Amino acid sequence: GAGVSQSPSNKVTEKGKDVELRCDPISGHTALYWYRQSLGQGLEFLIYFQGNSAPDKSGLPSDRFSAERTGGSVSTLTIQRTQQEDSAVYLCASGLLRVWSEAFFGQGTRLTVV
Amino acid sequence: GENVEQHPSTLSVQEGDSAVIKCTYSDSASNYFPWYKQELGKRPQLIIDIRSNVGEKKDQRIAVTLNKTAKHFSLHITETQPEDSAVYFCAARGEYGNKLVFGAGTILRVKS
Repeated sequence: GAGVSQSPSNKVTEKGKDVELRCDPISGHTALYWYRQSLGQGLEFLIYFQGNSAPDKSGLPSDRFSAERTGGSVSTLTIQRTQQEDSAVYLCASGLLRVWSEAFFGQGTRLTVV
Repeated sequence: GENVEQHPSTLSVQEGDSAVIKCTYSDSASNYFPWYKQELGKRPQLIIDIRSNVGEKKDQRIAVTLNKTAKHFSLHITETQPEDSAVYFCAARGEYGNKLVFGAGTILRVKS
């Protein structure tokens, strides 16, 4: 694959429904991040997977948010009982577990909760 | 943990002028400092980075400086052009395995 791929590109869901957002990182990348970006705002850190170590979940805003990374590759971010304030662009990024390694971003999933 | 502060939040310059964006970090162990550019509706992309063993790095019109003693680093864009208009994010990372921590971003507008 050429880069980090996220699906879907756009998702419209009704308030109260659950959604799953998918991230396919660059092959071989052992570090994976999820960020949330509201319109005109910065990158809000959500969760960081670092190889086989326990993920850093310190950025998850509530227990409605969870993420997993299966087999060290694909990651899924799940938002339960969505609320309107969850509307944002969700960005995934991957990289190597090296100190001097950049993070490569996916194109994002635009989530709209109506 | 690491904390990165970025200033200014918005910056308007005239085409051809220089733009400077500054970031400070809290973790003295940090040793990797990338800068990302995000154009409207696009994903953030790396434009330049600097390692702790280097004080300055240049790439055409873009340069980054690092002052480890003061724990701050800056992005300098010379001869700005309208296509430089974007949001710029700085970031810092400490030791192996640590996550990249991003600043809040700077909206740069280049007026022609």
